[in-house]
Amino acid sequence: EAQVTQNPRYLITVTGKKLTVTCSQNMNHEYMSWYRQDPGLGLRQIYYSMNVEVTDKGDVPEGYKVSRKEKRNFPLILESPSPNQTSLYFCASSLAGADQNIQYFGAGTRLSVL
Amino acid sequence: AQSVTQLGSHVSVSEGALVLLRCNYSSSVPPYLFWYVQYPNQGLQLLLKYTSAATLVKGINGFEAEFKKSETSFHLTKPSAHMSDAAEYFCAVSFMNRDDKIIFGKGTRLHILP
Repeated sequence: EAQVTQNPRYLITVTGKKLTVTCSQNMNHEYMSWYRQDPGLGLRQIYYSMNVEVTDKGDVPEGYKVSRKEKRNFPLILESPSPNQTSLYFCASSLAGADQNIQYFGAGTRLSVL
Repeated sequence: AQSVTQLGSHVSVSEGALVLLRCNYSSSVPPYLFWYVQYPNQGLQLLLKYTSAATLVKGINGFEAEFKKSETSFHLTKPSAHMSDAAEYFCAVSFMNRDDKIIFGKGTRLHILP
């Protein structure tokens, strides 16, 4: 079954404690991205990756890191989480090409930073 | 600047009534347009897409959208609302010259009244 898998689904942590949210896709997609969803603000892109070892900043990259060492995986790293990073996070993947840009989304990770 | 705007963060319709969710885009190049739906506690999934073929696009669950270049619009409609249509709907746009970047609107939450 084609899917994007995020882990964990729920996470409560404290300020400053490094964490990683994993994302894996089994569709051989070139393009992967991370979004955060906040009430009234919709989806905002954090980082995206066009292919292995190619990553770029989205609209709200501050406080986040990513890596793309393998095509299927695109982890999101919060080196020193802060309360303003409390949010619902989605990973998505797609084939390359704007006309192919059907994004497949993971089920989401709800993060609370205390 | 390229952008997408959804009019109305909340829309309520009675069961059986017409659903109309509005989306306008701003672009100097031909866009590719998408509607995604997010059911509670789930990730987004594609409802329909326009990629320069027919201007009237039919999607899943009886939804359709019409691309109107003169109005820079891509409104989503469904003739008769069902309780199961209650969800959040996102309009999105991508452009061939934007490194496949996709821009999401802020979303419209659709409420179905019994």
